[in-house]
Amino acid sequence: EDQVTQSPEALRLQEGESSSLNCSYTVSGLRGLFWYRQDPGKGPEFLFTLYSAGEEKEKERLKATLTKKESFLHITAPKPEDSATYLCAVQEVPAGNNRKLIWGLGTSLAVNP
Amino acid sequence: NAGVTQTPKFQVLKTGQSMTLQCAQDMNHNSMYWYRQDPGMGLRLIYYSASEGTTDKGEVPNGYNVSRLNKREFSLRLESAAPSQTSVYFCASNFLTETGELFFGEGSRLTVL
Repeated sequence: EDQVTQSPEALRLQEGESSSLNCSYTVSGLRGLFWYRQDPGKGPEFLFTLYSAGEEKEKERLKATLTKKESFLHITAPKPEDSATYLCAVQEVPAGNNRKLIWGLGTSLAVNP
Repeated sequence: NAGVTQTPKFQVLKTGQSMTLQCAQDMNHNSMYWYRQDPGMGLRLIYYSASEGTTDKGEVPNGYNVSRLNKREFSLRLESAAPSQTSVYFCASNFLTETGELFFGEGSRLTVL
């Protein structure tokens, strides 16, 4: 069964303490992997798209990487404003017209000052 | 730019009542989506509209209907609400269903008693 698993479920960091979030996936063929940030009471906000193994994308303190089986979201020297839930979604090479994304459950990140 | 606007933000219904969630986007996007988000279940696609004049079922369409009123607007209707439809509903849009970069609204929190 195609699925996306994110770990850990929750992570608490001190300001400046770097760490990584994981998104592992099992699909027959990967079209793209997407990272989103979701603040409490808000809709998800798009961060990155990764298409092929070895690809990396960066934005401020965040860097996303991709292998054939998983993606990492590295957070360098996080600040309290980085606190949010980070969602991963995978789009598989479609067998039909269904273009749906397969979503993970997210990692809830809290950064303490 | 407002982006994706959803109304209402909060609604309480009694079992059996009907209601319509409204969504409008001002980004000239072709595709629009309705998701629901539940704890432990992640985001699940209810219906989507690849372009004006077309709608298709997602993962969990039962109990819902949709209307793509024009290019800007995509509504979700609950004909006879059930407690299982208590959820947070998100509308999203993008240029093409082939891409996984979605722009989300802020959500509509629905409680069915």
